[in-house]
Amino acid sequence: DAGITQSPRYKITETGRQVTLMCHQTWSHSYMFWYRQDLGHGLRLIYYSAAADITDKGEVPDGYVVSRSKTENFPLTLESATRSQTSVYFCASSGVGPDQPQHFGDGTRLSIL
Amino acid sequence: GQNIDQPTEMTATEGAIVQINCTYQTSGFNGLFWYQQHAGEAPTFLSYNVLDGLEEKGRFSSFLSRSKGYSYLLLKELQMKDSASYLCAYNTNAGKSTFGDGTTLTVKP
Repeated sequence: DAGITQSPRYKITETGRQVTLMCHQTWSHSYMFWYRQDLGHGLRLIYYSAAADITDKGEVPDGYVVSRSKTENFPLTLESATRSQTSVYFCASSGVGPDQPQHFGDGTRLSIL
Repeated sequence: GQNIDQPTEMTATEGAIVQINCTYQTSGFNGLFWYQQHAGEAPTFLSYNVLDGLEEKGRFSSFLSRSKGYSYLLLKELQMKDSASYLCAYNTNAGKSTFGDGTTLTVKP
């Protein structure tokens, strides 16, 4: 089915470990985004991508790395996890044009101990 | 979120009407979105406004005033299932959105 999927849905890891969150969309959307959402807060943009091999920093990029070798995939890596990165992570995609809404994955709930 | 403001919480009664306000400040404005997010779930798209005025979509309507940097989401005939967080977000020329912190709406019987 067409859509946007994130994996894993839940992840517990320890400080200092590397962890990669996966995001896959089947719409061939040009834009993809990674957000984090902390309790009681809105969505803060970590990184976004306008097309394959084009990525740009958002509001809170420190400690994160992204890549986009294929249009449909946009993995997010925490190179050395810290407790402050405990959060819910949402991936989203959208078509080209200012009126195109973002479509969100179900989120990854990441806990760093 | 920066440069975008909405109330943190609102409470309303089933069957009533509620208005959720959003104010923003930005250059390069390219439209304003409203999303609904139920607890523990992903945000879903509700509405988009780029021109001034009211857009109606069933029980939900959204209004925009670009000169005032102001929008509101109007929910009519409230139902219990409308209890959720409502996020406003403005779009920029770069194709990305900046989100407010969301308004948590509680609908009571």
